[in-house]
Amino acid sequence: GAVVSQHPSRVICKSGTSVKIECRSLDFQATTMFWYRQFPKQSLMLMATSNEGSKATYEQGVEKDKFLINHASLTLSTLTVTSAHPEDSSFYICSARKAWGEAFFGQGTRLTVV
Amino acid sequence: AQTVTQSQPEMSVQEAETVTLSCTYDTSENNYYLFWYKQPPSRQMILVIRQEAYKQQNATENRFSVNFQKAAKSFSLKISDSQLGDTAMYFCAFTDGSSNTGKLIFGQGTTLQVKP
Repeated sequence: GAVVSQHPSRVICKSGTSVKIECRSLDFQATTMFWYRQFPKQSLMLMATSNEGSKATYEQGVEKDKFLINHASLTLSTLTVTSAHPEDSSFYICSARKAWGEAFFGQGTRLTVV
Repeated sequence: AQTVTQSQPEMSVQEAETVTLSCTYDTSENNYYLFWYKQPPSRQMILVIRQEAYKQQNATENRFSVNFQKAAKSFSLKISDSQLGDTAMYFCAFTDGSSNTGKLIFGQGTTLQVKP
């Protein structure tokens, strides 16, 4: 299988600050990466699709200016939560997809905004 | 729009016994893929099994097998000889093979508890 590394695994930040989460495909090139948000004991909610070299496609209801996504290379996508507030506290998961095939998931990032 | 429904929020099974998790989906597409993912307490998503819609044969992976009923749009997961390590949240997922976005649509999840 392929390896996707997500960093950091946990982060605590103060309200009003920004937090960057990285998602790296370690042993393959990912043309597409996905960012999900998951509340406790709930399903994964797709936030956006990140395509290398182009703008991300956001799902309905997801604020583009709040959740900035950059996919500058075939192995790295970043999600920046800008001006974080306590309601942004959640578990964020990325997945990376090969040219065609299954998606491989990162370990997730638990964000706590205090 | 495609939807995935898991109607069993929680289930439990005795160790070594068999359990079946239900999943139904709705789509107008003919080319698609279905998956079962496992999310243990570590929260790492792990692929359990996948099924291509064009294949009539049900997929199997060791103790895990599916019952894919395309006409009924049903995709259940059977876990045989349940082990304590199978305790996790299980998600059924769908992706459209025609549009090739790779976007996964997840069901609500079923929390499975394997009891010793």
